[in-house]
Amino acid sequence: QVQLQESGPGLVKPSETLSLTCTVSGGSVSSGSYYWSWIRQPPGKGLEWIGNIYYSGSTNYNPSLKSRVTISVDTSKNQFSLKLSSVTAADTAVYYCARDLEQRGTGWAYYYMDVWGKGTTVTVSS
Amino acid sequence: QPVLTQSSSASASLGSSVKLTCTLSSGHSSFIITWHQQQPGKAPRYLMKLGGSGDYNKGSGVPDRFSGSSSGADRYLTISNLQSEDEADYYCETWVSHTRVFGGGTKLTVL
Repeated sequence: QVQLQESGPGLVKPSETLSLTCTVSGGSVSSGSYYWSWIRQPPGKGLEWIGNIYYSGSTNYNPSLKSRVTISVDTSKNQFSLKLSSVTAADTAVYYCARDLEQRGTGWAYYYMDVWGKGTTVTVSS
Repeated sequence: QPVLTQSSSASASLGSSVKLTCTLSSGHSSFIITWHQQQPGKAPRYLMKLGGSGDYNKGSGVPDRFSGSSSGADRYLTISNLQSEDEADYYCETWVSHTRVFGGGTKLTVL
């Protein structure tokens, strides 16, 4: 059974770059049917999707964050990563990674997150 | 892009049933959505994918008490025989045009 685990610094200074890694176990990040997503949740608020990546490196990003986000994949380590630049206090959140399962039909594709990591808290503060 | 609207809160008694609603904005009534549950202090958990015709696909281990249905632009999550562990936030979301949109979530209280 696939499991995802987020890791990275819990404290980041304003204006710096937040960097997180998600390690996939019990499955392969190179599986052809999956994208791999990052999602965040500010304290007391709802969920916000950040973006996802395919093992080939193809990405999709939330338009509201696109200018600051880079998601990458390392198939040799079975990991994918998130970088968020120029962070402010508004980027303080629990960050989750998730598996994005692809469903295809004639002329359409739908992706849904069927496995989530446990999340990691990132605080932006000096 | 579609907007997903959810009531901010709902409540129901232990052992009863509750129906949560996620409404798609105009022009998006045929869209598939996904329901997730987030118990207090925990990560979200995938419940089901729900299509416009009411067909749904539940995640592994999701109890039979959870079911989905659809009517027009509305997508429903029904929880029968409510248990204390069902007290949680429930989020709907959808994928469209290479991006994902979440509803604001519904906080369910089990009385």
